[in-house]
Amino acid sequence: GAVVSQHPSWVICKSGTSVKIECRSLDFQATTMFWYRQFPKQSLMLMATSNEGSKATYEQGVEKDKFLINHASLTLSTLTVTSAHPEDSSFYICSAPTSGRAGTDTQYFGPGTRLTVL
Amino acid sequence: KNEVEQSPQNLTAQEGEFITINCSYSVGISALHWLQQHPGGGIVSLFMLSSGKKKHGRLIATINIQEKHSSLHITASHPRDSAVYICAVHTGNQFYFGTGTSLTVIP
Repeated sequence: GAVVSQHPSWVICKSGTSVKIECRSLDFQATTMFWYRQFPKQSLMLMATSNEGSKATYEQGVEKDKFLINHASLTLSTLTVTSAHPEDSSFYICSAPTSGRAGTDTQYFGPGTRLTVL
Repeated sequence: KNEVEQSPQNLTAQEGEFITINCSYSVGISALHWLQQHPGGGIVSLFMLSSGKKKHGRLIATINIQEKHSSLHITASHPRDSAVYICAVHTGNQFYFGTGTSLTVIP
């Protein structure tokens, strides 16, 4: 089946620094990728839709200047948490559909990145 | 009120039991997804439905579009089925997620 990887799997950083998380589709091309955040004991929250070759679409309440998304190729999307603060500590997950049909196709999820901001 | 409601929130079952998890939604949808999240955090997509019923091994998912309701059934449950099950709907523009059902299957 389709595989999506994320790197790093976990990261600890100091408050005020920026952290980049990569999401790669390993055996298929993904024109669309989704980024989610999950706080402990809560469900997924969609942050943004990453579109190859164009600007990301952010969900209401998500600061686009703080969570920078770049989808530079058909197999790679990156999420950069800028000037991270302890409240940004969370589990960040990406997903991609194989057909590019956004939410109406089976989603393949990355394993997630656990971010801890000290 | 959440656009997607799941029940129950928590469920404990004995190995071998038949399990049902319910999902109700209040928006018009183009697709409904059932996801499984294991304790380590990894998420697997179990089903994507837009109508009817799908079966994969011991898992069955059904959806009633008129009633805006979906169920996930697990037959002959096993401890390895212990996970959080999440219902998500896509409206054509947006995803909405349920808060998840935490299932524990006891040997």
